[in-house]
Amino acid sequence: SQKIEQNSEALNIQEGKTATLTCNYTNYSPAYLQWYRQDPGRGPVFLLLIRENEKEKRKERLKVTFDTTLKQSLFHITASQPADSATYLCALDLGSGGSYIPTFGRGTSLIVHP
Amino acid sequence: DGGITQSPKYLFRKEGQNVTLSCEQNLNHDAMYWYRQDPGQGLRLIYYSQIVNDFQKGDIAEGYSVSREKKESFPLTVTSAQKNPTAFYLCASSPLTGGDYNEQFFGPGTRLTVL
Repeated sequence: SQKIEQNSEALNIQEGKTATLTCNYTNYSPAYLQWYRQDPGRGPVFLLLIRENEKEKRKERLKVTFDTTLKQSLFHITASQPADSATYLCALDLGSGGSYIPTFGRGTSLIVHP
Repeated sequence: DGGITQSPKYLFRKEGQNVTLSCEQNLNHDAMYWYRQDPGQGLRLIYYSQIVNDFQKGDIAEGYSVSREKKESFPLTVTSAQKNPTAFYLCASSPLTGGDYNEQFFGPGTRLTVL
C-alpha cells in the first residue's frame, strides 16, 4: 500500500527565510499531489495541486516541486512570515478507477519566528 | 456564502451511546467524505460518497455509519461499537469535475469526547 512520509519534527525558521517541507512516498507514483494548510483545531485548507507530468507549480510565495524519480515533493514558502506558522499536509491520489480519494500524510509543523 | 458546515463544534458522549455528527455543503459538490484525525496523526478516511444514495467504506469504517439521502448532506453516526471514538472528525467535499476536481473543501470539524 502507498505510504506517505512527512517529517514529524517541527521546522523552525526565522522570518524572511524560505521554508522547505518534504513529502516522500513509496511504491507507485500518484496521478497528482496536493498540499494543504491546517491551523490548530480547524479543518485543512487546500493550497496547491501538482500533477505527475508537472515539475513545478507556483502560487504567490508558494512553490511545489514533484520528482517522480525521487518519489518526492518539496513545498517552499519564500519570505516566510509568522502568519505562515501552521501544519502542512501533503496528500496523494493515484487517480485510478475514478476514485479521487487522496491519502494524507501526518503533516509537518512549521514555526516561523519573528 | 458557499461552504461546508459541521455541527456541533464540540460533542460529549457517554460510553455506549450512539451520536450523529452533521455535515452540510452548499457548494453543489458531488463527493463528500468523513475523516478522523487523532493527535499527531494524519487524516484517516472513514466513509465517502460520490453520488446520492451511495457510499463506500474507507480505511476505518468499523463502528461508524453514514447516509446520503440528499446531495448537500452527509451525516456520520458514531455507534457504540466504535472502540475509541474520542477524536477530531472532519467532513470534506469535492466537485469531481472541473480543473481542480480533486481539491477537497473541509468543514471546521467536530471534536468528539467520550466520557
